[in-house]
Amino acid sequence: EAEVAQSPRYKITEKSQAVAFWCDPISGHATLYWYRQILGQGPELLVQFQDESVVDDSQLPKDRFSAERLKGVDSTLKIQPAELGDSAMYLCASSSGLAGGSYNEQFFGPGTRLTVL
Amino acid sequence: EDQVTQSPEALRLQEGESSSLNCSYTVSGLRGLFWYRQDPGKGPEFLFTLYSAGEEKEKERLKATLTKKESFLHITAPKPEDSATYLCAVQAWGYSTLTFGKGTMLLVSP
Repeated sequence: EAEVAQSPRYKITEKSQAVAFWCDPISGHATLYWYRQILGQGPELLVQFQDESVVDDSQLPKDRFSAERLKGVDSTLKIQPAELGDSAMYLCASSSGLAGGSYNEQFFGPGTRLTVL
Repeated sequence: EDQVTQSPEALRLQEGESSSLNCSYTVSGLRGLFWYRQDPGKGPEFLFTLYSAGEEKEKERLKATLTKKESFLHITAPKPEDSATYLCAVQAWGYSTLTFGKGTMLLVSP
């Protein structure tokens, strides 16, 4: 069964350091999303890609966060410098973007748990 | 602004004790309402999509229903393996992003 892959699964870093997360969506999925989930809350969208283009990054703190999907396949989310408040689960999701069937359904990866000390 | 409110925040059931989880929403034109299951430390797992009021979908012991203001996730004769957080999300017309609620944490005791 096709799955969204993410790495690393866990990351511990000190504040002011740089961190990067990687996501490989389900093969053929054109749309890729990065979400942040704070413990006890639902996921909140950070950035959405359609192929290699950013569709929505209105909630991305652009002073410290950046995201790219250079070839329209896998994606990297970077934080520099990390702050204590960035401790959260970072989730990647993908959807097919095909008309009908599973057009709207987003499939999530296992997430990266970030702890900033 | 789209909003999703889930209740209760937490629910404890005995095995076999049926119940329902509620998801109330406000959205500028509902394109779809989604239910996900999330186990601790893992990503959300897709369960259902509902598109129009009156629609129902079932999967094993779970049944999701939709009205114009809310959705219910009915759990019939739950088992301990149904213990998880259940997330509800809405998608508005013209957008593909999801707005999530905070979830309901379900614990089923044997």
